[in-house]
Amino acid sequence: DAGITQSPRHKVTETGTPVTLRCHQTENHRYMYWYRQDPGHGLRLIHYSYGVKDTDKGEVSDGYSVSRSKTEDFLLTLESATSSQTSVYFCATTESGRAGYEQYFGPGTRLTVT
Amino acid sequence: KQEVTQIPAALSVPEGENLVLNCSFTDSAIYNLQWFRQDPGKGLTSLLLIQSSQREQTSGRLNASLDKSSGRSTLYIAASQPGDSATYLCAVSNQGGKLIFGQGTELSVKP
Repeated sequence: DAGITQSPRHKVTETGTPVTLRCHQTENHRYMYWYRQDPGHGLRLIHYSYGVKDTDKGEVSDGYSVSRSKTEDFLLTLESATSSQTSVYFCATTESGRAGYEQYFGPGTRLTVT
Repeated sequence: KQEVTQIPAALSVPEGENLVLNCSFTDSAIYNLQWFRQDPGKGLTSLLLIQSSQREQTSGRLNASLDKSSGRSTLYIAASQPGDSATYLCAVSNQGGKLIFGQGTELSVKP
């Protein structure tokens, strides 16, 4: 598996607080993704990056922003956290967005917004 | 809009049985189909990747097939073991590698 770490692994925050989640990879993969996993909805794409400083929105991007200043790091920011953003957040990477390239997942961050 | 469905949602079998998990998708214009395993409270582990041009992939006791024209994939697990108990997720990707997931099948293998 790709060397993907996420920090923090657990976080409890209050409504209205800004929160930043970090994904770090050691595989030099070009593509990185942020997903959220919720009961009844499964995993859904929030944002993704196809290179340094190149990002795009996913299915559920409202209320989230991302940044990628280095190949190895992909940051997800909740500008003003809401209770609906309580979820488990997964980062994933792949070498290429073309056919034949597996996507690898990090261990996840459990975020609770009170 | 691509939709992925997995049936059944939950499955309980005795140890040693062979079993099949099903995945269907509505848009056949996919690049890859990937099967994952997720243990409770853990991340996703990739099991098998099938490119759109392939029909099947095998890894140990696992065999995944793909029929792109009908929008179906199956994951076959031979001689199931209690350690196979987990949730199995199917996901398809298009250009850019963006994955669209099914809801998963929760598998329990009883000793």
